Order: sequence, then structure tokens, then C-alpha cells
Amino acid sequence: DTEVTQTPKHLVMGMTNKKSLKCEQHMGHRAMYWYKQKAKKPPELMFVYSYEKLSINESVPSRFSPECPNSSLLNLHLHALQPEDSALYLCASSQEVGEISPLHFGNGTRLTVT
Amino acid sequence: AQSVTQLGSHVSVSEGALVLLRCNYSSSVPPYLFWYVQYPNQGLQLLLKYTSAATLVKGINGFEAEFKKSETSFHLTKPSAHMSDAAEYFCAVSDQGTNAGKSTFGDGTTLTVKP
Repeated sequence: DTEVTQTPKHLVMGMTNKKSLKCEQHMGHRAMYWYKQKAKKPPELMFVYSYEKLSINESVPSRFSPECPNSSLLNLHLHALQPEDSALYLCASSQEVGEISPLHFGNGTRLTVT
Repeated sequence: AQSVTQLGSHVSVSEGALVLLRCNYSSSVPPYLFWYVQYPNQGLQLLLKYTSAATLVKGINGFEAEFKKSETSFHLTKPSAHMSDAAEYFCAVSDQGTNAGKSTFGDGTTLTVKP
């Protein structure tokens, strides 16, 4: 079992839908991340939150909107997605940003956009 | 910018044989290096990390990696492969300074273990 919990595990949505991905960790980590992973590819960084503030946005389209309500929770709001946005979305956390602490990943949400 | 290159997108070994997965890094400063493993339908899990304390790093599941500055390498090894080692393996370097928070991953190596 992973210490980073992501829900839902699978999500199918149409291009006009609005949905949210959720991530939760209770390890006391102060950095949380969203990654996107296409099949047979490495994870690509989307967003980094440090102490609940957005610190990195890797030029992600505005149809992806992150939110960090508190230090344990991270959401990714989705709206008007495209079929090419179909991928595995991974949440991760680490003790701090800028330290040598490794990433702890959830098992991801597999998103299909129809 | 820091980067890692994994040589060999697919590696196949027999059960009980030596596992060697190659990773070379490019960094202008001493790097922080990691190996992660990803099993099907799961997220990534840390195998081991190099943070300059020791050049030979031992990780979970019998894996270890040796940091060689002269060769800019951080290859992952395991003396005897097990069927359960079949997975995707990623080498990663953690950025520092103004880019802190970014981890750059290699393209991954798929390990197949034959009975």
C-alpha cells in the first residue's frame, strides 16, 4: 500500500465535462506534486506546491487547475480536456522542496478523455 | 540543466542472473540521483538515492548502485534477478537552486526476467 492516496483510480470524461482528481498524504510532507505520465514514457512534471503555495507551473494549459486546500490535500481540477490529455496522472509528495528528499508517489488516476 | 540518460530501453535477463541497468548523468554540480521502480498499474517507488554520503548505495529488494564521478554514471545492479523484479525502472536527477522541486527522469528501462 502506498502512503499517498489518489482518487479515483480510473476516470472517463467527455471533453465538456468538469471533474477533479484528489490526492491525500498524511506523512507531514510539505511539498506536493502533480505529474502526467503517458504510456511507456517517464513522468512529466506539471505543478509543485510548497507549503500550500504553488511554486512551479510547468506551462500547463489552463484547462488543468491545481488546488492545495491544506498541507495534506492536493486537487487537480479538469475542464474542457482534449483526447490527448488521456494519461496516468500521478500525485507525489516529499518532505520539502529543495531538499534531497525523494518523491513518494500515489498509484495514479488513469484518465481517459472521450 | 541537469539530465540523465538510460542506456537500453529494454533489458532481459534470466532468473538468477545479474541485473545491470545503466544510467549516466549530466550535471555541473554534484547531483542528487535516484532510482525508482514502477510496476504495472502503479506509481513509482523509490529504490535508492545518492546524496554524496557514500558512493555505493544500497536500496530495497537487494538492489544497489555505485556513483562514479569519473564516468558520470550511476548504474543499478542486483546480483540475482527474481521474477518479481520485472518492471519499469527510472533513473532521476533532482534539480537544485532556483529549479529545486524539479526531478528529471530518464526514459526508463523495461526489465524482463525469464524463467
